[in-house]
Order: sequence, then structure tokens, then C-alpha cells
Amino acid sequence: GEDVEQSLFLSVREGDSSVINCTYTDSSSTYLYWYKQEPGAGLQLLTYIFSNMDMKQDQRLTVLLNKKDKHLSLRIADTQTGDSAIYFCAESPYAYSGAGSYQLTFGKGTKLSVIP
Amino acid sequence: NAGVTQTPKFQVLKTGQSMTLQCAQDMNHNSMYWYRQDPGMGLRLIYYSASEGTTDKGEVPNGYNVSRLNKREFSLRLESAAPSQTSVYFCASSDRGTSVRPSYEQYFGPGTRLTVT
Repeated sequence: GEDVEQSLFLSVREGDSSVINCTYTDSSSTYLYWYKQEPGAGLQLLTYIFSNMDMKQDQRLTVLLNKKDKHLSLRIADTQTGDSAIYFCAESPYAYSGAGSYQLTFGKGTKLSVIP
Repeated sequence: NAGVTQTPKFQVLKTGQSMTLQCAQDMNHNSMYWYRQDPGMGLRLIYYSASEGTTDKGEVPNGYNVSRLNKREFSLRLESAAPSQTSVYFCASSDRGTSVRPSYEQYFGPGTRLTVT
């Protein structure tokens, strides 16, 4: 079945760039996502990328996709203490069916700690 | 819009007790989901409902039942709670989306923290 792997912890200094990595196994993945979970809260979608794209930039966030190696990364520029959270990589293997329903496969999450 | 709401926020149960976790969304979404989150395990799908009137098992359905009461509400029931069901439970919903945002974005509730002793 599908599997999504992430390292569990990352620690960076405020102002540095953070890079969170993810690998996935499902070759039919259509959409790949990064979700953010702040302490005591639910998950919130940060950004997403279609599998036919190599890169997507959104303000301080850059997503890179290497489809050949099935490797996804999230770069956060100028990391702030407010970026401290758990970041989940997720993938969806199904194309849009019109039913609006699908299953996401999540990684275990990377806990980002930002040192002031 | 409140988005996705869950009640209760916290619950402590004794082994063998039953309870129902409530979830409601006000975004007119067709699909709803229940996940559990355990340390070092990420999120695992328990059950989902593609549309009103349908429910399907996810990765870890044993020990749970669900009801899609109407388009807004999707409840999760533990008939006989076990310590292994100590977890944080998240409800989520999704719909078709637009050309700007994909149809697969799931919106999450704040979670219910359940402890079974």
C-alpha cells in the first residue's frame, strides 16, 4: 500500500531556512500536500502541488517535487518562532472523480522547533 | 462560518464505557472523515463518508462505528472503550473545490482528546 515517510524532528535557528523532507511510494500520486499542526489544534493545509509540477512557491514557502525519486520537500525561508509546529506530508493517489471524496495518506509528521 | 466543530474537546472514559464523538461542518461539504492521531503514528483514517447516506471503513475501523446523520453531521461511536483507543480524534470534511484550490483539501476540526483508563 501507500507509504509516506518523514523525519520526526528538525531544529533550526530563527531567521534560517528550514527544509522538511518527505518520500512517498505510490507512483500514481496525483496531489501532494503539506499540512501544519500547531500545538493543541487540528491540521491546516499550507500548500499543495500537482504531480506534474516540479516546484511551487508561495511567499516564504517553496515546495520541490522530484517525481523520479518520489521525494517532496518544503522549504520555509526566514523561519520564525511562529513556524514551530508539526508538518505533515500527505499524498492522494486518486484522480478527481466528481464525488469529492478521496483518502489522504499522511506521513508521521516532522516536529519543527525554532530556536530564538 | 465555524468550519468544522467537534464535541467534546476532552473526555475520560473507563474501559468498557461507550460514548459518541460529535462532528459538524457548516461548509456544505459532501465528504466527511474521522481520523485518530497517536504519537509517532501520524494520522490514520478510521471511517469516512463520501456523501450523505454512505459510510466506508478506513485503515483502522475496528472498535468504532459511525453515523452520517445528515449532510452536516458525522458522529463516531465507541461501543466498548479500550485503553488502546486513547488518542486524539479529528474530524475533517472536503468538497469539490475550484480551479484555484484542489478539490481534495480537507478541513480539520480542533480535535477531541480521549483517554481510556
